[in-house]
Amino acid sequence: EAQVTQNPRYLITVTGKKLTVTCSQNMNHEYMSWYRQDPGLGLRQIYYSMNVEVTDKGDVPEGYKVSRKEKRNFPLILESPSPNQTSLYFCASRPVGQPNTEAFFGQGTRLTVV
Amino acid sequence: AQTVTQSQPEMSVQEAETVTLSCTYDTSESDYYLFWYKQPPSRQMILVIRQEAYKQQNATENRFSVNFQKAAKSFSLKISDSQLGDAAMYFCAYRSAVFGDKIIFGKGTRLHILP
Repeated sequence: EAQVTQNPRYLITVTGKKLTVTCSQNMNHEYMSWYRQDPGLGLRQIYYSMNVEVTDKGDVPEGYKVSRKEKRNFPLILESPSPNQTSLYFCASRPVGQPNTEAFFGQGTRLTVV
Repeated sequence: AQTVTQSQPEMSVQEAETVTLSCTYDTSESDYYLFWYKQPPSRQMILVIRQEAYKQQNATENRFSVNFQKAAKSFSLKISDSQLGDAAMYFCAYRSAVFGDKIIFGKGTRLHILP
């Protein structure tokens, strides 16, 4: 089954404790992105990657890091989480060269930073 | 920069009735895609309908249809015969057909279905 898998789905952590949210897709997609969703703001792109070892900032990259060492994985790293990073996070993937194919979204990760 | 605006934070509709959700966008590009996504309480992002900007014909998917007015930069979603399962947050979204992969979302409209 084609899917994007995020882990964990729920996470409560304390300020300053480094964490990683994993994202894995099994569709051999080149494009992968991270979004955060906040009430009244919709979804905003944090980082994206167009292929292995190619990443770039989205609209709200501050406080986040990503890496793309393998095509299937695109982890989101919060090295020193703060309460303003409490949010719902989505990973998405899409194949390049197929403009008519839409993004697959993961199930979301609810992060709370206390 | 492209923007997407949903002016209705919440809406309610009686079951079996028809409701229209509004969306306007701003872009200088001529080639792009527009979408409506549904987010039920499960939080999953579900693609409801998609419109290619170069197509004049409005997209339709069963009970869901759009009114795409390219010159006015308007992209509304009509839900006919509303069902309880339609209750969700709905996001209007834009993606360039040329530049990058970013999807730009509106702030969302929460739709309530009244039994």
